[in-house]
Amino acid sequence: DTGVSQNPRHKITKRGQNVTFRCDPISEHNRLYWYRQTLGQGPEFLTYFQNEAQLEKSRLLSDRFSAERPKGSFSTLEIQRTEQGDSAMYLCASSLTGEQYFGPGTRLTVT
Amino acid sequence: AQSVTQLDSHVSVSEGTPVLLRCNYSSSYSPSLFWYVQHPNKGLQLLLKYTSAATLVKGINGFEAEFKKSETSFHLTKPSAHMSDAAEYFCVVSDPSGGSYIPTFGRGTSLIVHP
Repeated sequence: DTGVSQNPRHKITKRGQNVTFRCDPISEHNRLYWYRQTLGQGPEFLTYFQNEAQLEKSRLLSDRFSAERPKGSFSTLEIQRTEQGDSAMYLCASSLTGEQYFGPGTRLTVT
Repeated sequence: AQSVTQLDSHVSVSEGTPVLLRCNYSSSYSPSLFWYVQHPNKGLQLLLKYTSAATLVKGINGFEAEFKKSETSFHLTKPSAHMSDAAEYFCVVSDPSGGSYIPTFGRGTSLIVHP
């Protein structure tokens, strides 16, 4: 068990560019979550997978955001046409029995 | 529906004194409750969890929490604060009986520890 990993750890991009983040969950965990966190706030739910199925998606998530978990293992989160308001920490978590295990996050800065 | 309220946005203590971080929850059925800690620029780490077994739950780093159904509370305590405890703490409720595995996070309590 090597924990949840996320790549890259930091990403700086220009407004309008697309970015993609990867999350590798703990291997036997069937649930995977994406959150966004801004300074001084708690994690904000974005979307959730059970195995390869995307079961829930936040109503706050614009259509510029898309996530996949093609084989029920790793997941990717893509943001198209980034805006400065997308600057945040993007956290991934995985779960099997209820408690979530979080990765270190990807910090996105949109200039 | 589920919700969680962390009653203090900031708590300031002196090193060696007790810590109390307050959390109240609302849930339709029997929830699972968690406390997570987040140090600056790090991911969240699970401190402890309650899942309908013993109401007094012991966690890592000397922290514990007591589930009180009558008060709908799950306060986090530690007898003696250490400088390394300075961090952001999140109380989380999860109630899958409603068909959703989406937990609800509190807004966080920043613990400040003075030497």
